[in-house]
Amino acid sequence: DAGVTQSPTHLIKTRGQQVTLRCSPKSGHDTVSWYQQALGQGPQFIFQYYEEEERQRGNFPDRFSGHQFPNYSSELNVNALLLGDSALYLCASSLNLAGHPDTQYFGPGTRLTVL
Amino acid sequence: AQKITQTQPGMFVQEKEAVTLDCTYDTSDPSYGLFWYKQPSSGEMIFLIYQGSYDQQNATEGRYSLNFQKARKSANLVISASQLGDSAMYFCAMREGWGNTGKLIFGQGTTLQVKP
Repeated sequence: DAGVTQSPTHLIKTRGQQVTLRCSPKSGHDTVSWYQQALGQGPQFIFQYYEEEERQRGNFPDRFSGHQFPNYSSELNVNALLLGDSALYLCASSLNLAGHPDTQYFGPGTRLTVL
Repeated sequence: AQKITQTQPGMFVQEKEAVTLDCTYDTSDPSYGLFWYKQPSSGEMIFLIYQGSYDQQNATEGRYSLNFQKARKSANLVISASQLGDSAMYFCAMREGWGNTGKLIFGQGTTLQVKP
């Protein structure tokens, strides 16, 4: 049973560039959430996708955008990168089913460094 | 105000002993879920245990148990018989509302070190 996968593992970009991170959910899951984790901090919610639509969004600027595909995989795009965007980006998947625990399972993360 | 508070930045425990990691939460929503995750140095967030606000009994998963005290709004994680592989960062998280309604709110984490 494949877990949540993310690519790439590491990424180095320079200020002003754009980046795309990818996530494939755990088999059987239909909902994908993205989190940003700065060093030494707890993860911060960016947004969640379900049925190819953004269902909920955290306190992140419009430079952060996403997409969910029909196969439930998802992308996180960040435009006009800032030094402060350097972080571990975590993708989590869950199943949207009434009466079913909505536990989010996380991938290994993508570590983004902005120089 | 902090929604999730973990007051212990770092903890030490002797191998084979039990340890309790503290977590308090703040919400006015009667329906919520509480989660504990483990994050080793590799970075992956590993789900450990879940407690729903309406669950009558404390959750248990193997060596992990959740000491849920609703009136005090606390959800402490108890790890029994600590192992060296338990050394990691531990996060408490809350989901407000019922079902798959979105975001997890995380605490700042507690670093646990298990001594041989």
